[in-house]
Amino acid sequence: GQNIDQPTEMTATEGAIVQINCTYQTSGFNGLFWYQQHAGEAPTFLSYNVLDGLEEKGRFSSFLSRSKGYSYLLLKELQMKDSASYLCAVRDRGGTGANNLFFGTGTRLTVIP
Amino acid sequence: DVKVTQSSRYLVKRTGEKVFLECVQDMDHENMFWYRQDPGLGLRLIYFSYDVKMKEKGDIPEGYSVSREKKERFSLILESASTNQTSMYLCASSLPQGYGQPQHFGDGTRLSIL
Repeated sequence: GQNIDQPTEMTATEGAIVQINCTYQTSGFNGLFWYQQHAGEAPTFLSYNVLDGLEEKGRFSSFLSRSKGYSYLLLKELQMKDSASYLCAVRDRGGTGANNLFFGTGTRLTVIP
Repeated sequence: DVKVTQSSRYLVKRTGEKVFLECVQDMDHENMFWYRQDPGLGLRLIYFSYDVKMKEKGDIPEGYSVSREKKERFSLILESASTNQTSMYLCASSLPQGYGQPQHFGDGTRLSIL
């Protein structure tokens, strides 16, 4: 089976840096995705990691360690519009389909002035 | 930009009704998915399809069926709606598995079963 853990809620200050962690256990790891979801809206794709290391995209970076079953999403220079839920999702070869994702419950980030 | 369109943002139905949720994507994606999203449980996969006429059960298919007669359209059917099917339903589509192919989501249908 698959098990994905991430904190339920986090609060950070505008302009600061925040790190959202995700740990996972899967039988056939095949990539990890981060999505952003504003309240009442669709999840939108942020980043993808399949090899160990850091992927940087502007203010957002994502890190993966496959040996530790660990990823984090790093948000720099926080803005009020970054207040949203952040979903960690793992693609697992052992799931019901090779392209299927398993989602964590999401981390609700609140950015305060 | 990929556009995944779900037919209704909000829907209210009664117990026992047959309910249809429609999803259309405009990017010629082979893969389509239906999820439900509930507080504290995250997104859970109901059904998916990798091709026209093809369907596979996800993790929670009980009480649901799907139809994919055309590549761009994937319908979710609640055969006899029950109150425990009150939820947010999200449709997604993607290209076939490849490096970093993400799923693209619609805005969701918030379904209430009374």
